[in-house]
Amino acid sequence: SQKIEQNSEALNIQEGKTATLTCNYTNYSPAYLQWYRQDPGRGPVFLLLIRENEKEKRKERLKVTFDTTLKQSLFHITASQPADSATYLCALYAAGNKLTFGGGTRVLVKP
Amino acid sequence: DAGVIQSPRHEVTEMGQEVTLRCKPISGHDYLFWYRQTMMRGLELLIYFNNNVPIDDSGMPEDRFSAKMPNASFSTLKIQPSEPRDSAVYFCASSPNRADNEQFFGPGTRLTVL
Repeated sequence: SQKIEQNSEALNIQEGKTATLTCNYTNYSPAYLQWYRQDPGRGPVFLLLIRENEKEKRKERLKVTFDTTLKQSLFHITASQPADSATYLCALYAAGNKLTFGGGTRVLVKP
Repeated sequence: DAGVIQSPRHEVTEMGQEVTLRCKPISGHDYLFWYRQTMMRGLELLIYFNNNVPIDDSGMPEDRFSAKMPNASFSTLKIQPSEPRDSAVYFCASSPNRADNEQFFGPGTRLTVL
């Protein structure tokens, strides 16, 4: 069956360090992958989209990689700040299918 | 732009009652999505519309759930009768042009069924 896995354990990180989150998937051939940020009590907010033919995408302090051989995407927050504390969701879209979300990873950046 | 608007923000009801959740998408967006989020199951797509027409309702859990989009600026998700296991946060999202574009989420409705 199709599965999207994100580390369910919270990631605690010191301010200024790089946070790295993992999104693994099985039995998908995604056309692209999206990353969203969700704060408590709010809806998810879109951050980045990376297509299957792209290896890496950057936006300010955020970087996403996409390895279709490993079936994995990595999401990096460089020079992390306490304001980056949130839950980060990956979502896969395969042609003809709907956008399917992973369970999310909570990040806590400590000053 | 006000973004996606959902109402009510919180709803507490008793088992067996009818619940109606409302959504106003961003003007000009062709796609509207209804999601449910729980700790156990995460964020699940229930149904989505394109130009007011339901395209995929395979995520609707039971016949107790129904959704309508009578026009481009309004959609409802109805649960009748409601059950305690329906307790969750329900999100509406909209997207321009294509189903694979980024989605803009509303603030959600937190539903508690007692």
